[in-house]
Amino acid sequence: AQTVTQSQPEMSVQEAETVTLSCTYDTSENNYYLFWYKQPPSRQMILVIRQEAYKQQNATENRFSVNFQKAAKSFSLKISDSQLGDTAMYFCAFIFLPSTGNQFYFGTGTSLTVIP
Amino acid sequence: DGGITQSPKYLFRKEGQNVTLSCEQNLNHDAMYWYRQDPGQGLRLIYYSQIVNDFQKGDIAEGYSVSREKKESFPLTVTSAQKNPTAFYLCASTRGRNYEQYFGPGTRLTVT
Repeated sequence: AQTVTQSQPEMSVQEAETVTLSCTYDTSENNYYLFWYKQPPSRQMILVIRQEAYKQQNATENRFSVNFQKAAKSFSLKISDSQLGDTAMYFCAFIFLPSTGNQFYFGTGTSLTVIP
Repeated sequence: DGGITQSPKYLFRKEGQNVTLSCEQNLNHDAMYWYRQDPGQGLRLIYYSQIVNDFQKGDIAEGYSVSREKKESFPLTVTSAQKNPTAFYLCASTRGRNYEQYFGPGTRLTVT
């Protein structure tokens, strides 16, 4: 079975500081894609960053970067220079290929508040 | 502009009535999904479709039905058999083999 765990239901960070959101998963698959999504108060889901499991290099997108530890099955998101607009729910998500077809698995989310 | 539309944004129904949530995309994506979001539970998959006229049950399909007659459209029907239908429903589609999911704005369904 594929499981995804976000153990931090809520976090806060001071504006301009750095915060790391954690995510762990369990799978026996070797080929998968990993994602972080952001859901602001508008509830629109927005893709933040994507990582392919076969790539050793960690993905980065501007202020957002991941720390992907395949052996440890860990996929954390680091937000640098936090901004008020980063306040949102953050979900990690996976698609495991080929066994689960096109089915995605989501964590339960971390609510991040950026404090001015 | 390309994207996914869901209508309506808010929907109210009486218990015992079936209701259909609309999802349309003009992104030319093959795969489409329906998720349910409840507080503290993240996104749970209801149904997904990888191609026209084909769909698969997700983790919580009971009480729901879908159709995929056109590539652009993937409506979800919440039937009276769904015991706790009040929730926020999200539709999504997937772009190619990088598997990035694009989401619609969601529909908040309230059943009383």
